[in-house]
Amino acid sequence: GAGVSQTPSNKVTEKGKYVELRCDPISGHTALYWYRQSLGQGPEFLIYFQGTGAADDSGLPNDRFFAVRPEGSVSTLKIQRTERGDSAVYLCASSTQRGPYNEQFFGPGTRLTVL
Amino acid sequence: AQRVTQPEKLLSVFKGAPVELKCNYSYSGSPELFWYVQYSRQRLQLLLRHISRESIKGFTADLNKGETSFHLKKPFAQEEDSAMYYCALHNQAGTALIFGKGTTLSVSS
Repeated sequence: GAGVSQTPSNKVTEKGKYVELRCDPISGHTALYWYRQSLGQGPEFLIYFQGTGAADDSGLPNDRFFAVRPEGSVSTLKIQRTERGDSAVYLCASSTQRGPYNEQFFGPGTRLTVL
Repeated sequence: AQRVTQPEKLLSVFKGAPVELKCNYSYSGSPELFWYVQYSRQRLQLLLRHISRESIKGFTADLNKGETSFHLKKPFAQEEDSAMYYCALHNQAGTALIFGKGTTLSVSS
């Protein structure tokens, strides 16, 4: 079956612009996660959705970052007034439920470059 | 604080040699630990998890609470094991994984 998909695969933008990154989880997966991976680092948690609601957004670095999942499936990560420090690979993952017994399946990532 | 440390950025071994990728953690309580792997031009995927006590592709990992370690081991490395390996810990809220910085394993013949 289809895995987690993310679009676009690459996004180049200018400092100060607004960007949206999309994640399509595996069908039927209720849990969805966003991570950010900077060069030379491991993935860093941003936000977790259970269904339509953001159950844990403690990883969002500041109020320029926002994510939605209005119908409990596709999610969009939105970044306002982008900064050069936002350049990273943004990873999305999904699982059947939250918790260590449920494997997180990762998408291929969106590489964001802020010039 | 919840933290995962992978002290080696790069580990280079010859085919057939034993491999040990180190992982140490900081956590209050009983941790749930994982190893994820990313092969070249592929997405991040689960290799094995502590709770399953399994061996995948010849790799094993034992949780040592006294040393707060979860090292990944394989007795005989293969060239196809070359990849980036991440150790990860489930956070106490159960909502996310905390990853180490990763170790690149390079196996040459």
